[in-house]
Amino acid sequence: GAGVSQSPRYKVAKRGQDVALRCDPISGHVSLFWYQQALGQGPEFLTYFQNEAQLDKSGLPSDRFFAERPEGSVSTLKIQRTQQEDSAVYLCASSAKSRYTGELFFGEGSRLTVL
Amino acid sequence: AQSVTQPDIHITVSEGASLELRCNYSYGATPYLFWYVQSPGQGLQLLLKYFSGDTLVQGIKGFEAEFKRSQSSFNLRKPSVHWSDAAEYFCAVPQGGGYNKLIFGAGTRLAVHP
Repeated sequence: GAGVSQSPRYKVAKRGQDVALRCDPISGHVSLFWYQQALGQGPEFLTYFQNEAQLDKSGLPSDRFFAERPEGSVSTLKIQRTQQEDSAVYLCASSAKSRYTGELFFGEGSRLTVL
Repeated sequence: AQSVTQPDIHITVSEGASLELRCNYSYGATPYLFWYVQSPGQGLQLLLKYFSGDTLVQGIKGFEAEFKRSQSSFNLRKPSVHWSDAAEYFCAVPQGGGYNKLIFGAGTRLAVHP
C-alpha cells in the first residue's frame, strides 16, 4: 500500500516479556518517528530517525525501549521486560523531508496491552 | 516550553450544526500550529496548518482554523458538521529542532448526532 504500515495491530504481552513492533514507512520518506499514545491522551514523541540515523531519542521513557532503522526504511521499536505502564498505542509516522514541514503521515498504530 | 491545551475532552453536536474546537498554545516565538484528525481505525491525518501570513487557514474536509495571537488560540471550525466528522481531533505545535517533532494536545472527541 501507499501508506504507513504497522504490525502487529494488536499485541498482548505478559509482564516481563519482550515485544517488537514494526513500521513500514511510505517509500522514500527520509524521516521516521515513533509516538506513544496512552488511553485518552494525545501522542507523545518517543524517537526520530533521519534515514538510518537515530537523531533524537529523548522521548524514550526508559532503557527498556530501543528503536532501530538499520537500512533507512523499515523500523522496529523493541520493548524489553514489558511493564503494565507500557500499555498504549504505538504510532509510527513518516515524512518526506528531513527539514521541517509540519506534515506527518501516520500508521494506524500497534496497540500493546501488558497483563 | 511549548505546550498545547485543548479544554474540551468531549463535544457532541447535531449533524448540520456548526462546530468550534478550542486550542490554546504556549510557544516562545511565532508559532507554527496544526490540527490533526484521528478517525476510528485510521491513522492521524493532517487537517490544516498555520505557518505565517493569513490568520484564517483553510484545510481539508471543509475545516478552517483561525490563529489569534492575542488569545494564544488556534480554534478549529466547520460551518456544517457531517456524521463522518465524528473522530478525535488534536491540536499540535512543533517542539523545535528543525524537524517534524510535534507536541500534541490531549485531544477532543467529537460525537455527531443524526
